[in-house]
Amino acid sequence: EDQVTQSPEALRLQEGESSSLNCSYTVSGLRGLFWYRQDPGKGPEFLFTLYSAGEEKEKERLKATLTKKESFLHITAPKPEDSATYLCAVHNQAGTALIFGKGTTLSVSS
Amino acid sequence: NAGVTQTPKFRVLKTGQSMTLLCAQDMNHEYMYWYRQDPGMGLRLIHYSVGEGTTAKGEVPDGYNVSRLKKQNFLLGLESAAPSQTSVYFCASTPRRSTDTQYFGPGTRLTVL
Repeated sequence: EDQVTQSPEALRLQEGESSSLNCSYTVSGLRGLFWYRQDPGKGPEFLFTLYSAGEEKEKERLKATLTKKESFLHITAPKPEDSATYLCAVHNQAGTALIFGKGTTLSVSS
Repeated sequence: NAGVTQTPKFRVLKTGQSMTLLCAQDMNHEYMYWYRQDPGMGLRLIHYSVGEGTTAKGEVPDGYNVSRLKKQNFLLGLESAAPSQTSVYFCASTPRRSTDTQYFGPGTRLTVL
């Protein structure tokens, strides 16, 4: 069964305290792994797409990496404005739909 | 470009009432999707469309109907609302292929009493 599991469910950091969010997946024939950011009351905002193991992408304080079984979203020196829920998703085997994890809610305090 | 827009933003219904949620995109995208998001469940696909005049069922289609009469619009209908349909509904679209990045609208918060 195609599945996406994110951990931890919630993460509290102090400003400047770097950490990583995990997304593990089981799907046959990965067609893309997606990271989104979702602020309260808003729709998911696209961050990154990764397609093959070893691939890395960066945007400001965020860096996404991909292995054959999981992806990490590394947050370096986070700021309070990085507080949000981060969602991970992969395409199902047929490529017709995204399967989302339940998300990691990040809180960064100053 | 406005991107993906959804109307209404909020709605309260009584059990048994009907309503239609409208999703519009001005990016000339081929594929459009309707998801629902519930606490502890993540986003789940209700229905999707691979082009004008086409629709297909997703993971949780029961109790919903959809139509895509125009390429830029994707409508989600509830014929007889139930409390279990209380949720936040998101529309998304992709340019050409189903494996392209999906871009989401701002959501509609629906409460069924």
